[in-house]
Amino acid sequence: IQLTQSPSSLSASVGDRVTITCRASQGISSALAWYQQKPGKIPKLLIHHASGLGDGVPSRFSGGGSGTDFSLTISSLQPEDFATYYCQHFNNYPITFGQGTRLEIK
Amino acid sequence: EMQLVEAGGGLVQPGGSLRLSCAASGEIFSTYWMTWLRQAPGKGLEWVANINNDGGESHYVDSVKGRFTISRDNAKNLLYLQLNSLTAEDTAIYYCARGGSTTSWYWVYWGQGTLVTVSS
Repeated sequence: IQLTQSPSSLSASVGDRVTITCRASQGISSALAWYQQKPGKIPKLLIHHASGLGDGVPSRFSGGGSGTDFSLTISSLQPEDFATYYCQHFNNYPITFGQGTRLEIK
Repeated sequence: EMQLVEAGGGLVQPGGSLRLSCAASGEIFSTYWMTWLRQAPGKGLEWVANINNDGGESHYVDSVKGRFTISRDNAKNLLYLQLNSLTAEDTAIYYCARGGSTTSWYWVYWGQGTLVTVSS
C-alpha cells in the first residue's frame, strides 16, 4: 500500500489553520497514524486509528478520514509545530509511511 | 513507560554484517510486539521488521528479507537486529520502537536510534 501525502512542503504562519492529506493506494479502513518529527529528534505519535489523539498531544491537532483519504489538521499553528509530518498505515504488511510533509514558517 | 536504548551501530564495509541491540526497561518487555524502523540521512521513515511477544512470528520489509533477522531475548529485555550483506542503501539511523498496546503496529515509544553507515 502506497501512501501519498500532500503537499510535500508547506509554508504557513503562526495562528494559521493547516491541513495535510494522506491518500492510500487501497482502502485501509482507519488503520492510519500520524507522526511529527523535528530535525535531529525522534518521531512523536500524534494520531492513531485515523482520529485518535495520542497521549499528551495538544487538542489543536486532529485527524480524520477512513478508507483511502485521510487528513491531519492543526487548528492554530504554534511555533513548536514547525516540523515534518508523516502518515503511516498499519492495515497489513508491509507497513509503510508517506513521504512526509515539511511544514515551514512563512 | 518503556525506555528503549539502541546500540551496535557503526561503520561497516559493503557486504559486511552488524548486530544491533535494543535494551528495554520500565515495563514488561515480554508482552509487547517490538519493531525496528530506519531513516536514511535526510529521508523519510521506513518500517524494517517486527516480532511478536514470544519471538515466534516476525515480518520484514521486502528490501531486507533474507539479509536481516529480528530476534529477542525476553529474559534479558533485549531486542536484536542482525544485519547481513549490507549495502550503501542500508545506511540509516535504526530505531527500535514499541506500540501503545501489546499488539499495536503504530509506535508510541522510540529509542534515540543508532547510526549504521555502510561505506568502503
